[in-house]
Amino acid sequence: EPEVTQTPSHQVTQMGQEVILRCVPISNHLYFYWYRQILGQKVEFLVSFYNNEISEKSEIFDDQFSVERPDGSNFTLKIRSTKLEDSAMYFCASSGLAGGTLLKETQYFGPGTRLLVL
Amino acid sequence: GQSLEQPSEVTAVEGAIVQINCTYQTSGFYGLSWYQQHDGGAPTFLSYNALDGLEETGRFSSFLSRSDSYGYLLLQELQMKDSASYFCGAGSARQLTFGSGTQLTVLP
Repeated sequence: EPEVTQTPSHQVTQMGQEVILRCVPISNHLYFYWYRQILGQKVEFLVSFYNNEISEKSEIFDDQFSVERPDGSNFTLKIRSTKLEDSAMYFCASSGLAGGTLLKETQYFGPGTRLLVL
Repeated sequence: GQSLEQPSEVTAVEGAIVQINCTYQTSGFYGLSWYQQHDGGAPTFLSYNALDGLEETGRFSSFLSRSDSYGYLLLQELQMKDSASYFCGAGSARQLTFGSGTQLTVLP
C-alpha cells in the first residue's frame, strides 16, 4: 500500500541552525501538508500546499519556515534559524482525489521527523 | 478560525463500547474527521463525516450533527490495541485543525 515517507526520522541541531525536513508524499496525491506536535500536545497545522504554491498557513508558519516541492516527488520543510521551541515531531501528510471528489480530510500521514533543538 | 473540544481521557474495559465526543466552532466548515494516534506515531485516518448522520466502518462509527456543531466517534467491541489517542479534526477549504485529543485506555 502506498505510504508517505519522511527523512530523517530524528534530527538534532543547534539553535540558530537551518534544518530541512524531507517528505515523499503518496505519488498521485495533490495536496501536501506539514504539521507539528510538541511532546504531549495536539497535532498542529502548519501549512498546506497545492499546485506548487502555499494554499493555507497557520500563525505558527512565520518567516522562518518555508516549503518547497523541488521535484515531482519530494516535499520539504525548511526552518531557517531554529529555536528551542521548534523542538517537536514534524509530520508530513498528503491527500488526493478519490472518485472525482476531493477529500482533503482523508489525509495520510508520514511517520514523522523528531526534531530536537539544543 | 477553528476550535475543537474533546475530553482529555476516557477509560473503558475490553469488549465495551465507548463514545468520544467532539464539539467545534469553525468558519467554513467542511466536515469532521477522526484520527487515531498510538504513542506519538503517525496519525491514522479513521472516519470522515461531511453530512449529518452516522458513518459506520467496522467496529468504528462516527456521527455528525451540523446544527449542534457536534460529533462523536463510537468504538465497539473494544480491544486492547484500541488504546491510543483519538483526535477529531475539522476541515475547512484548505486546512485541517485538530482537537487536543482524547487518550483512550482499554483495561482488561
